[in-house]
Amino acid sequence: GAVVSQHPSRVICKSGTSVKIECRSLDFQATTMFWYRQFPKQSLMLMATSNEGSKATYEQGVEKDKFLINHASLTLSTLTVTSAHPEDSSFYICSASDGAPKETQYFGPGTRLLVL
Amino acid sequence: GQNIDQPTEMTATEGAIVQINCTYQTSGFNGLFWYQQHAGEAPTFLSYNVLDGLEEKGRFSSFLSRSKGYSYLLLKELQMKDSASYLCAVGGRGDYKLSFGAGTTVTVRA
Repeated sequence: GAVVSQHPSRVICKSGTSVKIECRSLDFQATTMFWYRQFPKQSLMLMATSNEGSKATYEQGVEKDKFLINHASLTLSTLTVTSAHPEDSSFYICSASDGAPKETQYFGPGTRLLVL
Repeated sequence: GQNIDQPTEMTATEGAIVQINCTYQTSGFNGLFWYQQHAGEAPTFLSYNVLDGLEEKGRFSSFLSRSKGYSYLLLKELQMKDSASYLCAVGGRGDYKLSFGAGTTVTVRA
């Protein structure tokens, strides 16, 4: 149980284009999903918390107009990197929480984004 | 704020035992998590502690002392496949967020 999928696993795009990443909880309903980015040999950096049916909460320093998050249902959240630039190249990972009492986060397999 | 410390690297021999320590100072506490992350992959859940004491799960055990702000992950009978980064993460109170340590890279040698 507690499987989270993420699509695509890898994407290469040109600078200035937008990229959409999907995150799905396959066998449980996740009222809360999280989006992280990770640079090589560094830990996870939380970008935003996504709640179904409401606006995402962004961490300090994360541009909400650049990283659009939509939590359309209890099993799907999307992250759109708008007007991507080479500095946006990173490993993007989503997670879904199974709620109370443990609030364990289960991670998707990640999306490696390379902006040329 | 959140401050979570764990060693950067550890090396051990196949079949041995390794203990990864984690200390934390957080504004709220709703449990401590350990995750394993292989290079280029997403983290996988290993353990969760919210009460003091030891939780054992096969070759892996995790310990928590809330009064000391301290946890450790114990890996027994090390195998080559255990070479990975191990992330200590603390859950906040009521907001489901996790604050992650920088991770400990464990290298298992034959």
